[in-house]
Amino acid sequence: GAVVSQHPSWVICKSGTSVKIECRSLDFQATTMFWYRQFPKQSLMLMATSNEGSKATYEQGVEKDKFLINHASLTLSTLTVTSAHPEDSSFYICSAEQYFGPGTRLTVT
Amino acid sequence: AQSVTQPDIHITVSEGASLELRCNYSYGATPYLFWYVQSPGQGLQLLLKYFSGDTLVQGIKGFEAEFKRSQSSFNLRKPSVHWSDAAEYFCAVGPFTGGGNKLTFGTGTQLKVEL
Repeated sequence: GAVVSQHPSWVICKSGTSVKIECRSLDFQATTMFWYRQFPKQSLMLMATSNEGSKATYEQGVEKDKFLINHASLTLSTLTVTSAHPEDSSFYICSAEQYFGPGTRLTVT
Repeated sequence: AQSVTQPDIHITVSEGASLELRCNYSYGATPYLFWYVQSPGQGLQLLLKYFSGDTLVQGIKGFEAEFKRSQSSFNLRKPSVHWSDAAEYFCAVGPFTGGGNKLTFGTGTQLKVEL
C-alpha cells in the first residue's frame, strides 16, 4: 500500500531554535498533505492543509507564522516550527490521501 | 460542524473474546468514515474505510465495521481478539476529495487485551 514517511522520527531542540520536519509520499504523488498534532494520550488535531505550489491553509487557532509549511513538490511537505518553546513539544503527524506518516516526536527543552 | 464521538475511553477484553468499539459521528453531508489503529509512539495505520456501497466493510487484521446511517454510527468489530490488537483505536470522519482527506478524529479508545 501507499507509504508516507517522516523525518526525523524524533528531535530534541533548545527553546528559541527552529526545527524542520519532512513528510514524504513514497510511492504516489500528493497535491495535498495534512499536518496533525497529537498531545500525549489525546486525539489528533488538524493543524493545516499543505497545498503543492500554493500557500497552506491553517486551522483556526494555529499560528501560521510559527508553523511554517512548504509543499514544494508533489511528494514533499515540510513543517518548520519556528522559535520553538516547551509548549510546542508534541507528536506531529502528516498524512497524504488516507495514509499517515509514522510521526515525529518533538521535545523542546 | 463535523464531530466524532467514541464513548469508550478504555476497553479491556480477554484474548479470544469478541470486540466492538463504538463510534458515532455528526456530519453535514455524506460521511466518509475511517478506523485507524495506533501503537504507542507510532503513526496511524488504516484499518478500514467506508465511502459508499455495502455498509459492512472488511478491513485488515480481521476487523470489520458496519455503517448505520439511521444511528449515525460506524462501530468496529472483531470476532476474536489477539493480544497484539492492544493499541489505541481512532474513528475519523471527513470529506473525500481528489486531494486527500481532511479528517476529524474521535478521542480514541484504548484497548487492553488480557491473556
